[in-house]
Amino acid sequence: DSGVTQTPKHLITATGQRVTLRCSPRSGDLSVYWYQQSLDQGLQFLIQYYNGEERAKGNILERFSAQQFPDLHSELNLSSLELGDSALYFCASSVETSGSSQYFGPGTRLTVL
Amino acid sequence: AQKVTQAQTEISVVEKEDVTLDCVYETRDTTYYLFWYKQPPSGELVFLIRRNSFDEQNEISGRYSWNFQKSTSSFNFTITASQVVDSAVYFCALSEANFGNEKLTFGTGTRLTIIP
Repeated sequence: DSGVTQTPKHLITATGQRVTLRCSPRSGDLSVYWYQQSLDQGLQFLIQYYNGEERAKGNILERFSAQQFPDLHSELNLSSLELGDSALYFCASSVETSGSSQYFGPGTRLTVL
Repeated sequence: AQKVTQAQTEISVVEKEDVTLDCVYETRDTTYYLFWYKQPPSGELVFLIRRNSFDEQNEISGRYSWNFQKSTSSFNFTITASQVVDSAVYFCALSEANFGNEKLTFGTGTRLTIIP
């Protein structure tokens, strides 16, 4: 158990819908990262927050957004869902940023029908 | 740009054999960090090791060992006396030390199957 929690574990929804994925980092970790794992793209970085502020953006679609709240939990919002958004979404956290080990949550498996 | 290559897509070995998973990386930075993660069939990503670019000492943890060679930009992972529980997909990853660029860049993974 990494100490990072993600909810829900599974999510099945229809095209065009909007979903929210939630992540609670390990106690004491200030940095939260979101990654997407799909068969065709592999593991891809989406976005990073550090102590409530956006730190870096990767290959995140405009239909996707995220935020980190004062209690340091984070949410990833996916809207206007398409079939291709079906993937495993991971949240990771680390104590600091540069070079710190990132510990991953169990992931949320999103299926868009 | 940073890149990680895991050329071995799938490897199968018989239990108790040793196996080495290869990882080659590219980066322009002199300070960087290398990682290995394990993804068992249950799907979670399990952290195995972190190594910074200034520490080329090999590391051993039980049946696991890692060989970091800057001269060949490689960070290989060896499992000694493999067990069925080692069956998983293993990912090598790279992180640079620049502000705003601490993300992990992953290789495509190596699926390891241990045959009982």
